[in-house]
Amino acid sequence: EAGVVQSPRYKIIEKKQPVAFWCNPISGHNTLYWYRQNLGQGPELLIRYENEEAVDDSQLPKDRFSAERLKGVDSTLKIQPAELGDSAVYLCASSWGETGAEQYFGPGTRLTVT
Amino acid sequence: AQSVAQPEDQVNVAEGNPLTVKCTYSVSGNPYLFWYVQYPNRGLQFLLKYITGDNLVKGSYGFEAEFNKSQTSFHLKKPSALVSDSALYFCAVRALPSGNTGKLIFGQGTTLQVKP
Repeated sequence: EAGVVQSPRYKIIEKKQPVAFWCNPISGHNTLYWYRQNLGQGPELLIRYENEEAVDDSQLPKDRFSAERLKGVDSTLKIQPAELGDSAVYLCASSWGETGAEQYFGPGTRLTVT
Repeated sequence: AQSVAQPEDQVNVAEGNPLTVKCTYSVSGNPYLFWYVQYPNRGLQFLLKYITGDNLVKGSYGFEAEFNKSQTSFHLKKPSALVSDSALYFCAVRALPSGNTGKLIFGQGTTLQVKP
């Protein structure tokens, strides 16, 4: 079974430039998560989707971050414009529905903003 | 507010010895508790979870964890450590009842170093 796929794995951009990350969850998983992991810290949730609906985006900086999950499968997270403080690893995870289900994580995209 | 604490930034243990990685939590309601492991340049891998039932849960790679409600702890253990267990370990909690959005709260992580 294929795991969660993310691309790109690494991205280096200059501040004020846009950047986008892509995630393909495990087949059949209806819940998709985007996390940000700063160096030396645990992941922090940015947004959670159930199918196509964003059910928790309270931690998403909406002035510069946006996300979409078309057709309830793949998802894209965008930052525009990027700031130096956005340098982090962006992790995508997926799970099947119920609250007790474990989440399966992709390898992440390491973003460096210069 | 939900929170998770991993009081040790790093745990050092000799190969073959037992290991413990500590985790305490604070939630209002019944907790769902998880342990994940992260290897360098990799995503997090699920190890085990406590939902309900037996306080001792067994997971992948010989790891187990004990849920202690009175101490609000969920320590990760392994009877005999391997060098290959060296990695970054995260404890996470999700709280019930309803109204919870399914958000996982992660601890800061504990680096486990197993020396030959």
